[in-house]
Amino acid sequence: QVQLQESGPGLVNPSQTLSLTCTVSRGSINSGNYYWSWIRQPAGKGLEWIGRIYASGSTNYNPSLRSRVTISVDTSNNQFFLKLTSVTAADTAVYYCARGGGWALLGDAFDFWGQGTMVTVSS
Amino acid sequence: QSALTQPPSASGSPGQSVTISCTGTSSDVGGYDYVSWYQLHPGKAPKLIIYEVIKRPSGVPDRFSGSKSGNTASLTVSGLQAEDEADYFCCSYTNSGNLLIFGGGAKLTVL
Repeated sequence: QVQLQESGPGLVNPSQTLSLTCTVSRGSINSGNYYWSWIRQPAGKGLEWIGRIYASGSTNYNPSLRSRVTISVDTSNNQFFLKLTSVTAADTAVYYCARGGGWALLGDAFDFWGQGTMVTVSS
Repeated sequence: QSALTQPPSASGSPGQSVTISCTGTSSDVGGYDYVSWYQLHPGKAPKLIIYEVIKRPSGVPDRFSGSKSGNTASLTVSGLQAEDEADYFCCSYTNSGNLLIFGGGAKLTVL
């Protein structure tokens, strides 16, 4: 089964850039009509979809974060990345990466997820 | 775009059934059959349990079922077991810009 693993700093200073990597194993980022997403969960709150990228590099972002988010992909290393600029305490959350399937595959559901990585924004 | 509305909690005794609702609008839940449900245990990767409103991925017990009526989707867990105690989140496609929107989550307690 496809496996995803998030990695990156657990502590980021306010106003700085949060950078995370998701490494995909036991499957290819290039496979089929899947896309690769970042999702986060602040403590005690619900999940929030951040955005997605296809292997082609095409992206979609949550409008509430669009001005600060960049998602990119490195197909040769089976990884995709999240950059979130100008972070504040409100960006403190568990960040998940996940594989999503479009309407023809999974109806925009996420079938494989990483375990999540906690990122705290604090000085 | 507001999150989909879920009750914060639900509970039931072992063997009983419990239903968790997920209410949206005609722009999301009511307008498309692209509702999915996820089970979250602390420290573990979230697990897809229902997609396209009613479909179960392979390996998910048939004790889990999904449905939809109007702008409200529902997840029913029958024959509750201790390991079903977890947080459950719904998710839907939306045509109002976000593309994908989640519910606030419901904590299921097995009494």
